[in-house]
Amino acid sequence: SLVLTQPPSVSVAPGETARITCGGNNVAIKSVNWYQKKPAQAPVVVVYDDSDRPSGIPERFSGSNSGNTATLTIARVEAGDEADYYCQVWDSINDHPVFGGGAKLTVL
Amino acid sequence: QVQLQESGPGLVKPSETLSLTCNLSGGSMSLSYWAWSWFRQPPGKRLEWIGDTYNNGRANYNPSLKSRATISVDTSRNYFSLTLNPLTTADTAMYYCARRVIYGSELNLFDPWGQGTLVTVSS
Repeated sequence: SLVLTQPPSVSVAPGETARITCGGNNVAIKSVNWYQKKPAQAPVVVVYDDSDRPSGIPERFSGSNSGNTATLTIARVEAGDEADYYCQVWDSINDHPVFGGGAKLTVL
Repeated sequence: QVQLQESGPGLVKPSETLSLTCNLSGGSMSLSYWAWSWFRQPPGKRLEWIGDTYNNGRANYNPSLKSRATISVDTSRNYFSLTLNPLTTADTAMYYCARRVIYGSELNLFDPWGQGTLVTVSS
């Protein structure tokens, strides 16, 4: 089963660009979804199917997926972006999701 | 807009049974490309998928729970439920329900999620 690896933490200054990676063997053949999880709030989809953005999600959020790494990019980071970010794919053989361990984004 | 809301006891004793319910509002549960999922997040730990059920009642579970979980759905009454037993203190966690949207064999998305309900297992 695919294992997804995320850095435990990512720190950026306001206005800079944050890149949160999700590594997995040949993850490029999968559709990667990204969730934002703030304390005491429900997770929210910020990017799905590698690079699509749900309505209501700012254009500052974008995604890419190539080779063994998927990346969530947050441009012009704001204090309100501080959260845990999880990547997720679907294991179609075992019919269950696979999540990364989550990356905590800290806005300095 | 579809919303999900979890409900259940906040405190349960070890060896007892946890029963949680997730109520859906703002829509129906009847479409075949949806499934109904439960997750949990113990304090300081990663998000864990517990399992889910399709509208026909067929369910899938995380093998790590070793058959302790049961998920059922009542589409006519717009709710689904989780039963977990026997409980241990390791089951203390925030529990979330979510809808799984099945776009295809490789694209399955969890949206929306409930706000979560905290369950503490303690004697």
